[in-house]
Amino acid sequence: DIQMTQSPSTLSASVGDRVTISCRASQSVSGWLAWYQQKPGKAPKLLIYDTSSLQSPVPSRFSGSGSGTEFTLTISGLQPDDFAIYYCQQYSSSSPTFGQGTKVEI
Amino acid sequence: EVQLVQSGAEVQKPGESLTISCQGSGYTFNNYWIGWVRQMPGKGLEWMGIIYPGDSDARYSPSFQGQVTISVDNSVSTAYLRWSNLKASDTAMYYCARLRGVRFNDGFNLWGQGTLVTVSS
Repeated sequence: DIQMTQSPSTLSASVGDRVTISCRASQSVSGWLAWYQQKPGKAPKLLIYDTSSLQSPVPSRFSGSGSGTEFTLTISGLQPDDFAIYYCQQYSSSSPTFGQGTKVEI
Repeated sequence: EVQLVQSGAEVQKPGESLTISCQGSGYTFNNYWIGWVRQMPGKGLEWMGIIYPGDSDARYSPSFQGQVTISVDNSVSTAYLRWSNLKASDTAMYYCARLRGVRFNDGFNLWGQGTLVTVSS
């Protein structure tokens, strides 16, 4: 399996901050990477697919970048609704895998 | 409305069998892969496996191969996840989710509400 490692595990931030979450793959996943947001007691929500494509109707303050083994999710201007856990997922291999998650808290 | 609706919470004993379901509506069920994702209490997401309803092509994570069976019934637009021998370690929330597009390598853009499975003697 391709291992996905996110950093940091927890991130403390304030409303209005620019937040960056990193995701590293144990081998190249090309651009086959997605980002999800999960709030307590809710199903995950797709934010970004194919590294940088924004899923409609996700706000444009969310953006993704990277290639190969290094990827980044950026939230430009953190909003109260953005406090959640974020997961990256590779779907390059026949057995897709998720990162362990990054909790964005106040 | 495009949605996936999962069956309700289950409480089962170790060694028992169990099938949970995921019904799709509002779209052409046959055309999109549907997968299952496990989330153990307080933990992250784990990709279990996926099936293409058009031809019942099912693929599994090595971690779940042989532990569960994924199937579909197109006549009722429903995907299933089955265990034949439950263990306490199967206690988790299980989500079904649909791939965004028709290709296999894609993200999940439609999720069910989750089914909580509790296995306890």
